[in-house]
Amino acid sequence: EIVMTQSPATLSVSPGERVTLSCRASQSVNNNLAWYQQNPGQAPRLLIYDGSTRAAGVPARFSGSGSGTEFTLTVSSLQSEDFAVYYCQQYNDWPPYTFGQGTKLEIK
Amino acid sequence: QVQLQASGPGLVKPSETLSLTCTVSGDSVSSFYWSWIRQPPGKGLEWIGFIYYSGSTNHNPSLGSRISMSVDLSKNQFSLRLTSVTPADTAVYYCARHFRGLNAYPDWFDPWGQGTLVTVSS
Repeated sequence: EIVMTQSPATLSVSPGERVTLSCRASQSVNNNLAWYQQNPGQAPRLLIYDGSTRAAGVPARFSGSGSGTEFTLTVSSLQSEDFAVYYCQQYNDWPPYTFGQGTKLEIK
Repeated sequence: QVQLQASGPGLVKPSETLSLTCTVSGDSVSSFYWSWIRQPPGKGLEWIGFIYYSGSTNHNPSLGSRISMSVDLSKNQFSLRLTSVTPADTAVYYCARHFRGLNAYPDWFDPWGQGTLVTVSS
């Protein structure tokens, strides 16, 4: 099973700032990685797939990069609605599909 | 616009069977793979399994033989059964379309249904 590790667990940032979230895989997943955003009480929402492709309707301030075992999600200028929990998910080697434990973005 | 809605009992007794149904609107279940994912309160996400309209399935090995899934093309629904539940199975259960990428295998999840909380308790 591929273990996905996200860091940090919590990130305190101010609106308007640029932020980078990290996701590391225990073995190479090539570019077979997705990012999701989850607001409190809501279902996760797909942001990025194939490591760097934005899903339909996702604002351009979200960008993904990386391949192999190291990936990042960058939000260029945080808006109030971006304060949420973010998860990465690998789909290179399954079963099972696996998620990171999440990074919570909170308002500083 | 594709929408998914999971439904089922909110409370299940230990050792009994959890049964959930996901109703799909705006798309046909015969078009994609469909998955179940769960999230224990305050914790992360765990993939449970997927089903294809043909009835082909795959599931998380951690759940062993406790899991079964089915699809009802006439109702545009798919279902999950998890037997011998324990309090560790308490979670919000989500159904999601499991999107195929270029390699024709199910890859990412989009969209997700709202989720339904299932509590295992006597």
